[in-house]
Amino acid sequence: AQSVTQPDIHITVSEGASLELRCNYSYGATPYLFWYVQSPGQGLQLLLKYFSGDTLVQGIKGFEAEFKRSQSSFNLRKPSVHWSDAAEYFCAVGALVGKLVFGTGTRLLVSP
Amino acid sequence: DVKVTQSSRYLVKRTGEKVFLECVQDMDHENMFWYRQDPGLGLRLIYFSYDVKMKEKGDIPEGYSVSREKKERFSLILESASTNQTSMYLCASSHDGPSSGREDTQYFGPGTRLTVL
Repeated sequence: AQSVTQPDIHITVSEGASLELRCNYSYGATPYLFWYVQSPGQGLQLLLKYFSGDTLVQGIKGFEAEFKRSQSSFNLRKPSVHWSDAAEYFCAVGALVGKLVFGTGTRLLVSP
Repeated sequence: DVKVTQSSRYLVKRTGEKVFLECVQDMDHENMFWYRQDPGLGLRLIYFSYDVKMKEKGDIPEGYSVSREKKERFSLILESASTNQTSMYLCASSHDGPSSGREDTQYFGPGTRLTVL
């Protein structure tokens, strides 16, 4: 069965510092991978996705993620965090026929 | 622009009431999904639908049912609400999966925060 692990429940980063959020997945075939962001009280917004091809994927708001098959990872990165990036981030893997399995999320706090 | 709307942002109901949560998408998507979101548990799939009048159980269907009479609308029904159904409910939609050649990105509505007293 598919599963996603986000090992960090909370992360605090200083504004302007770099960010890396970890995501590990378990899936038997080539995965479809997603990162979503959720601001307080809002729905989920797609940041980026990996279906195939280049393993470094660019997304919105300056985010990128790298698919590493050997490590079963799809970590999210941003070179310089802004206060508006404070939110909860969810990694997800695409399963059969459009179903998604989500991780439990990582809450990002940005300190001044 | 992609649009998924949910009928209410906040809802307060009493134990034992029948509750309807409505979701509408305007993207002509085949697939629609209902999730509940709880702190520390992430998103858990309740039910999904691949076509009109079709439904499939997700991971936590107990205490819920769904209805999809039209392609654009997917309703979640709590037959007899209980306090442990207090949660954030998120609806999503997507095109057919990769086997059809279309991407399967899910687009989410803003959520309904349901409180059952």
